[in-house]
Amino acid sequence: DTEVTQTPKHLVMGMTNKKSLKCEQHMGHRAMYWYKQKAKKPPELMFVYSYEKLSINESVPSRFSPECPNSSLLNLHLHALQPEDSALYLCASSLVGQSNEKLFFGSGTQLSVL
Amino acid sequence: GESVGLHLPTLSVQEGDNSIINCAYSNSASDYFIWYKQESGKGPQFIIDIRSNMDKRQGQRVTVLLNKTVKHLSLQIAATQPGDSAVYFCAENYGSSNTGKLIFGQGTTLQVKP
Repeated sequence: DTEVTQTPKHLVMGMTNKKSLKCEQHMGHRAMYWYKQKAKKPPELMFVYSYEKLSINESVPSRFSPECPNSSLLNLHLHALQPEDSALYLCASSLVGQSNEKLFFGSGTQLSVL
Repeated sequence: GESVGLHLPTLSVQEGDNSIINCAYSNSASDYFIWYKQESGKGPQFIIDIRSNMDKRQGQRVTVLLNKTVKHLSLQIAATQPGDSAVYFCAENYGSSNTGKLIFGQGTTLQVKP
């Protein structure tokens, strides 16, 4: 299994809602990542987890709250988002999180904030 | 084949021609580079990678060239096919050897004309 699975594929939420994005991989990878991608732009790194510990937070606003409950799962909890947070949210995984590893990406969750 | 000397957002080539997509990276300390292909509605898909101790690496129909002197990366696609139409991103790893921090370049849209 070489897949990273993200759910849901699409999500529409209001600015007062609380929602969660989910990501799962069964490749035995110990590093997992969240990226945000606006239309016609490159993916931008948000968070990196290595061995279930947060290792990088790219100064992401606190309305985005990541969680890594175990080595196969990664969540992104969303609360009080703004319309400008509408984007494609990509999850990725790699072996352990070192600098010479390729990342495997899921297909993303297309988020719209109304 | 058609090539671009500087990064251009769009490259249009005839089916069967060779394509060359260029990328300038920013961090002279980056030691690992990846090319990704992203089709509409999908996450980035790994194409080929190269470490900083190499200047060329070949895959199936693809070649990556690395020029560390001018911080330049290129992707060559031989005999371009309609299925190669996508956005291509180069990515460099900013992190130390213990921390993966993959940062993406701006991306080039490859259009293949039949």
